[in-house]
Amino acid sequence: TQLLEQSPQFLSIQEGENLTVYCNSSSVFSSLQWYRQEPGEGPVLLVTVVTGGEVKKLKRLTFQFGDARKDSSLHITAAQPGDTGLYLCAGEKRGSQGNLIFGKGTKLSVKP
Amino acid sequence: GAVVSQHPSRVICKSGTSVKIECRSLDFQATTMFWYRQFPKQSLMLMATSNEGSKATYEQGVEKDKFLINHASLTLSTLTVTSAHPEDSSFYICSARSRTSGGNEQFFGPGTRLTVL
Repeated sequence: TQLLEQSPQFLSIQEGENLTVYCNSSSVFSSLQWYRQEPGEGPVLLVTVVTGGEVKKLKRLTFQFGDARKDSSLHITAAQPGDTGLYLCAGEKRGSQGNLIFGKGTKLSVKP
Repeated sequence: GAVVSQHPSRVICKSGTSVKIECRSLDFQATTMFWYRQFPKQSLMLMATSNEGSKATYEQGVEKDKFLINHASLTLSTLTVTSAHPEDSSFYICSARSRTSGGNEQFFGPGTRLTVL
């Protein structure tokens, strides 16, 4: 059972376009993290959201945590080729040892 | 800060041999380290959680006798794949959680590509 549904799975866009990646679950998470992973490397943490309704911005990236802490979104404005990579959301469930449940990832390709 | 290293980055071994992968937190103390495996074009799957000085907690379906985890210090955890077989070929990634961090972020190592011939 996939507890975190991430969509879309693949996304190919032109430079300058905007995009949104979604991460949905029926479970409540105490925190949710977004990572970016390059091929052959480990994931790199982009942001952690903790409070329901929280919005965090990282340059052209905007992250939102749903009010009920069951879903999250990542919005990229004016995408650039350097944004190309695998974006992963990961949620931490209450009562876990800090274990993260990962979504399947969104493979983003931004063409110049 | 929050750098995690893994060694080796790549390893090729013959079927039946054992392989040890090291995970180190370079600039912080990690009370908890996590081991994941990632198959091509798939997401990360948690294998086990390792707390310093205690036995690892394995996820369902992960053989503890095959994947030996030792967390001997606050900066080092090792994963030993015993009697490796071709189906064990995968990308193994560790992560560490800071002892002093108020949050729950995990910082990931660069991964180890294991190929079993």
